Amino acid sequence: QSALTQPASVSGSPGQSITISCTGTSSDVGGYNSVSWYQQRPGKAPELMIYEVSNRPSGVPDRFSGSKSGNTASLTISGLQAEDEADYYCSSYTSSSTQVVFGGGTKLTVL
Amino acid sequence: QVQLVESGGGVVQPGRSLRLSCAASGFTFSSYAMHWVRQAPGKGLEWVAVISYNGNNKYYADSVKGRFTISRDNSKKTLYLQMNSLRAEDTAVYYCARDPSFVGQQPPLDWGQGALVTVSS
Repeated sequence: QSALTQPASVSGSPGQSITISCTGTSSDVGGYNSVSWYQQRPGKAPELMIYEVSNRPSGVPDRFSGSKSGNTASLTISGLQAEDEADYYCSSYTSSSTQVVFGGGTKLTVL
Repeated sequence: QVQLVESGGGVVQPGRSLRLSCAASGFTFSSYAMHWVRQAPGKGLEWVAVISYNGNNKYYADSVKGRFTISRDNSKKTLYLQMNSLRAEDTAVYYCARDPSFVGQQPPLDWGQGALVTVSS
């Protein structure tokens, strides 16, 4: 069982907006601004989309945004495009001995 | 640009050992903590281990503690993962990844392409 909880799947039509949640505890998501989001396409390595809750690396479209409220972080993709179809993972620092935890992943389907 | 290239993967029998390497370039390797993250076939990402910039601090997932050892050689810009007493459930693609800090308390920034380890008799 993953330390962070994500929905298994979400879907949306082109042009719409979707939000993926990532729920943890006060020992990880809620306690630190160290939440990242990754996009992973089949057969490829994960790619960083958001770091430190809401920051975008250069090259990531501004359609991707991140936020956090309490123990839940969220990734929002607006103006959904076919190329956004992929698996998305959240990750956070944790004060436990393991240092870093991941969510179980969310499969995004663009209808 | 940051480049991380894993090597050393392959097929190994249960109970045997294997060592993965990750050659780094495009950044000051000795200034950053480094992670190993794995992904079993059809499954999600699982954090494995992290090592601080100077190798003095190491942390492991409970699932590998006592069997895997993370290490680094800053003069060779290379990260290692020594995997002993391998089990079928260790079968996965193993990614090396760069931490944004020198301590190792952040989710990774950059990732390699991964090395497949298959544990099977």
